Amino acid sequence: EPEVTQTPSHQVTQMGQEVILRCVPISNHLYFYWYRQILGQKVEFLVSFYNNEISEKSEIFDDQFSVERPDGSNFTLKIRSTKLEDSAMYFCASTWGRVGSNQPQHFGDGTRLSIL
Amino acid sequence: ILNVEQSPQSLHVQEGDSTNFTCSFPSSNFYALHWYRWETAKSPEALFVMTLNGDEKKKGRISATLNTKEGYSYLYIKGSQPEDSATYLCALNQAGTALIFGKGTTLSVSS
Repeated sequence: EPEVTQTPSHQVTQMGQEVILRCVPISNHLYFYWYRQILGQKVEFLVSFYNNEISEKSEIFDDQFSVERPDGSNFTLKIRSTKLEDSAMYFCASTWGRVGSNQPQHFGDGTRLSIL
Repeated sequence: ILNVEQSPQSLHVQEGDSTNFTCSFPSSNFYALHWYRWETAKSPEALFVMTLNGDEKKKGRISATLNTKEGYSYLYIKGSQPEDSATYLCALNQAGTALIFGKGTTLSVSS
């Protein structure tokens, strides 16, 4: 069964550094999402992406964050200048159609980001 | 603030027991309710997407019901097995693209 893949599985970065988290969504999917879970807290929506532009973003997704689909397969999340509070598990997800049309989201295994 | 609540936070049952958990959500602007099963070190796996009031869905020993008027969904596991041990997440969609997650119910099944 096709799956969403994320790399790396664990990223350790110094505070203030830029980090790029990578995702390869399922190949025929059109909608892409990033979520994060800070340890002990709820999974939180960050951003959704469709047709090469952001569809929706949460308050968390400020100017430090950006997303890109640089080629036909990768979907990346960039954090420009990391802070300690960015430490979390980051999940990528994809759907063929828009969430809400009976479409479950297909999640990757996540990237654990640790900011020192 | 939109809040999705799940209870209990965790529970421990014996193999063969049946169990259920609750997901509560605001009933206004409802579009869909998702249930996911999340094992440690793996990706959340979709169980059900429910949209209609009174909906009941079943997958093997797991089933779910939905009440959109009062804002709750129940997830039932019949005859729990050790492999059912996981965190069960519910998530609300309100016609945008975002899923709003609850904190999850962590189930531990011992043999």
